Amino acid sequence: NAGVTQTPKFQVLKTGQSMTLQCAQDMNHEYMSWYRQDPGMGLRLIHYSVGAGITDQGEVPNGYNVSRSTTEDFPLRLLSAAPSQTSVYFCASSHGGLGELFFGEGSRLTVL
Amino acid sequence: SQQGEEDPQALSIQEGENATMNCSYKTSINNLQWYRQNSGRGLVHLILIRSNEREKHSGRLRVTLDTSKKSSSLLITASRAADTASYFCATDNNAGNMLTFGGGTRLMVKP
Repeated sequence: NAGVTQTPKFQVLKTGQSMTLQCAQDMNHEYMSWYRQDPGMGLRLIHYSVGAGITDQGEVPNGYNVSRSTTEDFPLRLLSAAPSQTSVYFCASSHGGLGELFFGEGSRLTVL
Repeated sequence: SQQGEEDPQALSIQEGENATMNCSYKTSINNLQWYRQNSGRGLVHLILIRSNEREKHSGRLRVTLDTSKKSSSLLITASRAADTASYFCATDNNAGNMLTFGGGTRLMVKP
């Protein structure tokens, strides 16, 4: 099993551009989530999904959209990138209820 | 705002010593988890302790939970240079659908 796979690993955007961070898991996990990690801030939850077709907002959802059309995939869309969205983004998944989270290796995004 | 807060923010010890990290949280929880993050990598789950448990062990790790004080501690015994990493506590909300992380403790173990 590959676990949780995130692409791309690195991305540079200009202010106002849009892009999608991809996340896929092959563990048949119902729960998936997106976090951002900023220096000294720990991880903050952006959006999460408890199953295909169901998404909900986390702590810092503004500027981001998600969808969950399949169990495996949970893409994160930046609609109009801003420098404040420069961060490292992590996708994570969990089986059943909110137990152990399995994390991807992260996507480092820089917005100029 | 963050639910969990780790203390200390940074810790430097010699190999073979024990390392203790503390976590405080604000609201009631179903469970508390500890994660480890090596530099530039994703987080790795270490241990989960439920609200009705007081202590849990896994290898060289010992976690305690005091729900009356809303606090937890992670003890790493006989530390090794390979334990150098950041350690995070995470707590769930009452609905059990959101996991909130603290700011982490950066542990450096010197050989």
